[in-house]
Amino acid sequence: AQSVSQHNHHVILSEAASLELGCNYSYGGTVNLFWYVQYPGQHLQLLLKYFSGDPLVKGIKGFEAEFIKSKFSFNLRKPSVQWSDTAEYFCAVKPNAGKSTFGDGTTLTVKP
Amino acid sequence: GAVVSQHPSWVICKSGTSVKIECRSLDFQATTMFWYRQFPKQSLMLMATSNEGSKATYEQGVEKDKFLINHASLTLSTLTVTSAHPEDSSFYICSAKLWTVETQYFGPGTRLLVL
Repeated sequence: AQSVSQHNHHVILSEAASLELGCNYSYGGTVNLFWYVQYPGQHLQLLLKYFSGDPLVKGIKGFEAEFIKSKFSFNLRKPSVQWSDTAEYFCAVKPNAGKSTFGDGTTLTVKP
Repeated sequence: GAVVSQHPSWVICKSGTSVKIECRSLDFQATTMFWYRQFPKQSLMLMATSNEGSKATYEQGVEKDKFLINHASLTLSTLTVTSAHPEDSSFYICSAKLWTVETQYFGPGTRLLVL
């Protein structure tokens, strides 16, 4: 079975700082990759996804993620965070014929 | 588009009673719905996958007789926690997807507190 590891449990940044959240997975086959965000008091929303093609995918609100197959990674990035980016971020991996597995999540706190 | 609702948003019940949680896809037909459980500061744990018109597939360690799932239509799935106990207190989240699309759309969750 696949597993997903998010190394940063809690990240604290000041506004305008750059963000990179790590996501590594273990699965040898073809996967679909997702980043979801959960703002305080709200439900999970899709930030971006990778199915195939260009490994650098752009999502909503200025987020992007790069799929590096050789490293089994799908790190999330944003060049300049805002206070409103304070949220919980979840990486998810889904094999083509399997079900999604979520990472433990990373809490991002952006200080104004 | 792709809105998923859950009802109720929170519920408090006595130990031994049963609680039903509804998950609805409001503007699309969901061939597959998923039920997750989320513990504080932890990730989503998949409980079961339900396809419209067929029996749900439960994950290992999830009691199917305790967590009854019904997916009778393309827009509605229900999760019934039978004979609830305090250890069942948690945040239950459903998601829905079309059979042609891998993206899941999540509901807002239902917080269950069993006294």
